[in-house]
Parts: sequence; structure tokens; C-alpha cells
Amino acid sequence: GAGVSQSPSNKVTEKGKDVELRCDPISGHTALYWYRQSLGQGLEFLIYFQGNSAPDKSGLPSDRFSAERTGGSVSTLTIQRTQQEDSAVYLCASSPRDTEAFFGQGTRLTVV
Amino acid sequence: QKEVEQDPGPLSVPEGAIVSLNCTYSNSAFQYFMWYRQYSRKGPELLMYTYSSGNKEDGRFTAQVDKSSKYISLFIRDSQPSDSATYLCAMSGIRWGNNNDMRFGAGTRLTVKP
Repeated sequence: GAGVSQSPSNKVTEKGKDVELRCDPISGHTALYWYRQSLGQGLEFLIYFQGNSAPDKSGLPSDRFSAERTGGSVSTLTIQRTQQEDSAVYLCASSPRDTEAFFGQGTRLTVV
Repeated sequence: QKEVEQDPGPLSVPEGAIVSLNCTYSNSAFQYFMWYRQYSRKGPELLMYTYSSGNKEDGRFTAQVDKSSKYISLFIRDSQPSDSATYLCAMSGIRWGNNNDMRFGAGTRLTVKP
């Protein structure tokens, strides 16, 4: 497909386990963003990748969160030792320069 | 105080009503203002995009920006049940894709009843 693809769509994990969330951006988009959306809250910025530049990790809430982007394309968000407060929808968006971004459908993470 | 304030609702209106959705903000550097629509279990999709102050119309949707009051609005005329979704306002200082200063409201959940 031509859109941003995220996998899995849903993930249920036990507290303390590690999880990996994947984002396939639109081909050719240089910018990639991860956001977290909790019930009743706006989108919380997590991390931003732009081309080959060093990522902006200023939004990551703790050192349990990390992300990488391989070859300027696919990105993986990793959450180590998950906690219940990590339960949320994790959204990925990609964008070419100077225009709006396109969101994936999100990964709904539930930590039990 | 949050940079962007948006009443989460929920807001319920009858079909055909005019809907008014609003956000206020505190950062005077914001120049780009957007409205996203998010259907249940889907990602947000861009609905309207406005630069600086003024109005922009697209079909049944009108976006207004009043920078002097730091207030933006989205109006939906002749609302339809298919408009039922969560509407998020978003704003930034420079165009998206160049940085990460986009800020989002909490989203207003709208239901249009037939």
C-alpha cells in the first residue's frame, strides 16, 4: 500500500516484558515521527528522525524507550520492562520536507 | 498550562446542525494551524491547513484563525453522521517535516446523530 504501515495493530504484553513496534513510512519520506496517544490526551511527541541527521529524542519519557531507523526507512520503537502506564496507542507519521505528515493506523499497546 | 487547550467533549449534535470546534494556545510563535480528523481505531488524517490568521473554506468545513486572541476554530456545516470522529487541532511555528515543534490538542469527540 501507499500509506504508513504499523505493526502489530494490537499488542498485549505482561508487565516487565520488552516490546517492539514497527513503522514502515511512505517511500521517499525523509521525516519520521513517533507519537503516543493516551485516552483523553493529545498526541505526545516521542522521537523525530530527519534523513541522516541525529534523531531528536527529547520526547522519550524514560530510558526504557528507544527507537531506531534503519536505512532511512523502517523504524522500530522499543519499550523495555514495560509498565502499565505505557499502555496507549503508539502512532507513527512520515513526511517529505515542507508539507503535512501522514499517520499510520497506530499500535494499541496494553500492558497487563 | 498546556501550550494547546481543547475541550475533549464529548459533543453530540443532530444531523444537519452546525458544529463549532475550538482550540486556544499560548505560544505566539505558532503560525501553521491544522485540524485532523481521527476515526475510531484509525490514525489522524489532515482535514484543514491554515497559515497565519484568516479563514479557509473547503466544502462544508471552515477553519478560522485569530492570532490576536490565540484562538482557532473549525466549523462544520450541515453535519452528517459520517462526520462522527475525534477532531484534533494542531499547530507549529514552521512547516512540518522540518522539525518537531508540532503541538496537538487533546481532541474533541463529536457524534452526529441521524
